[in-house]
Amino acid sequence: NAGVTQTPKFQVLKTGQSMTLQCAQDMNHNSMYWYRQDPGMGLRLIYYSASEGTTDKGEVPNGYNVSRLNKREFSLRLESAAPSQTSVYFCASSFGRGAYNEQFFGPGTRLTVL
Amino acid sequence: KNQVEQSPQSLIILEGKNCTLQCNYTVSPFSNLRWYKQDTGRGPVSLTIMTFSENTKSNGRYTATLDADTKQSSLHITASQLSDSASYICVVSESDSSYKLIFGSGTRLLVRP
Repeated sequence: NAGVTQTPKFQVLKTGQSMTLQCAQDMNHNSMYWYRQDPGMGLRLIYYSASEGTTDKGEVPNGYNVSRLNKREFSLRLESAAPSQTSVYFCASSFGRGAYNEQFFGPGTRLTVL
Repeated sequence: KNQVEQSPQSLIILEGKNCTLQCNYTVSPFSNLRWYKQDTGRGPVSLTIMTFSENTKSNGRYTATLDADTKQSSLHITASQLSDSASYICVVSESDSSYKLIFGSGTRLLVRP
């Protein structure tokens, strides 16, 4: 099992460009999440999907959109990138949405917006 | 405001030595607390999970403690190895039914030969 995979690993964008970060999991998990990690700060939730067909905003959703394409895949889109979106993005998944369901993280995408 | 604070921010120790990392939280309600290990360039991986009623949980050379009264946790690493070099993140869950996690900013540990 590959677990949670993310593409690309690295990306450099210019201000105003758009891109989609891809995430897939092969653990038959129901819930999926997108986080961002900035220096000196804890991970912050951008969006999550409790189950296939549903998505909800997290703590920092502005400037992002998501799509839960199917049970395996959850993508994050930046429509018009801004320098403030320079960060490391992590996708995670869990079997359920309760507190005892461990979240498994992908390797991350390092995004730089110039 | 729900917060998780970790100390120290960074730590350097010699291989074979022990160390203890601290976590203080002000999250309420409280469901459980996890310690994650994050290697450079990788995603976090769970080491331990403790509920309100648990005081200690071990995973090999890693031992986590929890004092729910003072809202403090610690992660003790015994006989450190070079592979222990990583960031260690304290994460608190608000309630049993919630997906929401409150992350600390981590302690960056460097183990030197």
